[in-house]
Amino acid sequence: QVQLVQSGAEVKKPGASVKVSCKASGYTFTSYGISWVRQAPGQGLEWMGWISAYNGNTNYAQKLQGRVTMTTDTSTSTAYMELRSLRSDDTAVYYCARDGNYFPGWFDPWGQGTLVTVSS
Amino acid sequence: SYELTQPLSVSVALGQTARITCGGNNIGSKNVHWYQQKPGQAPVLVIYRDSNRPSGIPERFSGSNSGNTATLTISRAQAGDEADYYCQVWDSSMWVFGGGTKLTVL
Repeated sequence: QVQLVQSGAEVKKPGASVKVSCKASGYTFTSYGISWVRQAPGQGLEWMGWISAYNGNTNYAQKLQGRVTMTTDTSTSTAYMELRSLRSDDTAVYYCARDGNYFPGWFDPWGQGTLVTVSS
Repeated sequence: SYELTQPLSVSVALGQTARITCGGNNIGSKNVHWYQQKPGQAPVLVIYRDSNRPSGIPERFSGSNSGNTATLTISRAQAGDEADYYCQVWDSSMWVFGGGTKLTVL
């Protein structure tokens, strides 16, 4: 079955970086894109950006431009999201989700989520 | 930037019909997707492109979209339908989510 499995929880200090992985299985990785979404405690969903698994093209949310980098490794069908200069308000559950490749699709399925806690 | 407005909460009696709205400027011209999120779990797609159900989603879930309002309808509501529901659209090269609606089944 189509599945996205994310890396485990992280605890980081302010100013540090975090890199979350998302391993895909059950479908042709390069035929889709991956979007990243985060959810702060008790809050709604915030889209962070998208990467094409076909050619590596990216589209980042303006709010995170300059702090986020999304990459893929097609040899292992894995997507990565790195967030730098972490602040306390970056504390959230981070999700990856399968998205369209050439144009917007919809998010199905989602990974199980990775809790990133930023605390001194 | 484009905004999607959802009611904070909706209540429905067991077995009755719940309707969750998602308001946006001329949202009827966009494709709307809906997600269900239960506590401690990742969101799950329940409706895509306004009114299409993914495989495995019960027929009780349906969607419509016209004018300035998209609607997710849950017929014969069950206790297991209690969750947060989010609408989503693509606008100006970015994904936008509604603020979410908490559905309570009484």
